Amino acid sequence: EPEVTQTPSHQVTQMGQEVILRCVPISNHLYFYWYRQILGQKVEFLVSFYNNEISEKSEIFDDQFSVERPDGSNFTLKIRSTKLEDSAMYFCASTTGQGVGANVLTFGAGSRLTVL
Amino acid sequence: GQQLNQSPQSMFIQEGEDVSMNCTSSSIFNTWLWYKQEPGEGPVLLIALYKAGELTSNGRLTAQFGITRKDSFLNISASIPSDVGIYFCAGRQETSGSRLTFGEGTQLTVNP
Repeated sequence: EPEVTQTPSHQVTQMGQEVILRCVPISNHLYFYWYRQILGQKVEFLVSFYNNEISEKSEIFDDQFSVERPDGSNFTLKIRSTKLEDSAMYFCASTTGQGVGANVLTFGAGSRLTVL
Repeated sequence: GQQLNQSPQSMFIQEGEDVSMNCTSSSIFNTWLWYKQEPGEGPVLLIALYKAGELTSNGRLTAQFGITRKDSFLNISASIPSDVGIYFCAGRQETSGSRLTFGEGTQLTVNP
């Protein structure tokens, strides 16, 4: 079963530090996403990415956040200067974007970010 | 953003019982998805619904896309201990591109 892989599984950082979370989406998928889940809360959309550019972003995805697909396999989320409230589980997801399953997202296991 | 109201927030049931949970919204959705999340894991897709009125099963799970396109329910029959987890509904609107809006989740506990 193809899967979305994320690293690191857990990162602890000091407030103000930069963090990069990495994802390897499913190889034939074309649309990539980042979602986050603050402990005990629902999953929230951050950003979607297609054809090497952001296609949508939420109000949460401010100037402190950026995404990149540096090569043919990785998809990264960078937080430039972390704040306490950035502590959350960050999920990468991907989809083919085509056909009946176009909107069926496959999620990774998540990267837990703890900002101290 | 749009809200999906999911209920109940939590359920404590005995093994073998049936379970029902639902999501409602004031807005129309054109795709409804049900995901299960276990501790420390990402959401895993259970059922996807694409048309109003659609009723789809996956083993002991059955979900329906409401006729009004503003709601969906998930039923689990004959629950077993491994059904424990958080169940999320998620929907996609015509006007929201490919982004999914998630419900608040239903925490299910099954006592053996």
